[in-house]
Amino acid sequence: DTAVSQTPKYLVTQMGNDKSIKCEQNLGHDTMYWYKQDSKKFLKIMFSYNNKELIINETVPNRFSPKSPDKAHLNLHINSLELGDSAVYFCASSQGTGETEAFFGQGTRLTVV
Amino acid sequence: AQSVTQLDSQVPVFEEAPVELRCNYSSSVSVYLFWYVQYPNQGLQLLLKYLSGSTLVKGINGFEAEFNKSQTSFHLRKPSVHISDTAEYFCAVSEHGGYQKVTFGTGTKLQVIP
Repeated sequence: DTAVSQTPKYLVTQMGNDKSIKCEQNLGHDTMYWYKQDSKKFLKIMFSYNNKELIINETVPNRFSPKSPDKAHLNLHINSLELGDSAVYFCASSQGTGETEAFFGQGTRLTVV
Repeated sequence: AQSVTQLDSQVPVFEEAPVELRCNYSSSVSVYLFWYVQYPNQGLQLLLKYLSGSTLVKGINGFEAEFNKSQTSFHLRKPSVHISDTAEYFCAVSEHGGYQKVTFGTGTKLQVIP
């Protein structure tokens, strides 16, 4: 029943590793997002895809690469993980127009050691 | 570019007391406004939103917010809080037209004291 689901919920990994976070939504939305929430709870958009096309790409290191195989999925791959990448990453989806709210997943807590 | 300012990072309030969480925004065009709530270890969920029309918007869990265009504010209020309202609250804005790019404020931690 989960509207926006992301896996894994927790991810602990060493510096330099490559990892992926998966996200799926069953709401039929055409827009999906990745947000990063830091330790101070500040929430910042990283990427947005509309119908598998990248439409928002904020200032994010090239080590972060989103991939959208279809409009229901948006995965996030991170290369060469750094300590500063530790955060909670949220996937979200919406119908894509400005007046519709975003539906969020439960978050993936990434800890880089 | 749009921006959102939440003036209070933490708001302690006693149970059954009223609360107001402040939010101001900046944008060169018309905006849509949202309040989201984040309970510990969970994602964000929508409390309420303002699109157009009546400036007083009612949301879930007894919350309401008032849009004030002249003051560019969208403050969130509840007349009587419960312990279960303890959470982080985020104000957000998106601009009319184009694809949705939502900008979030820095959040206000509401701490309800028994």
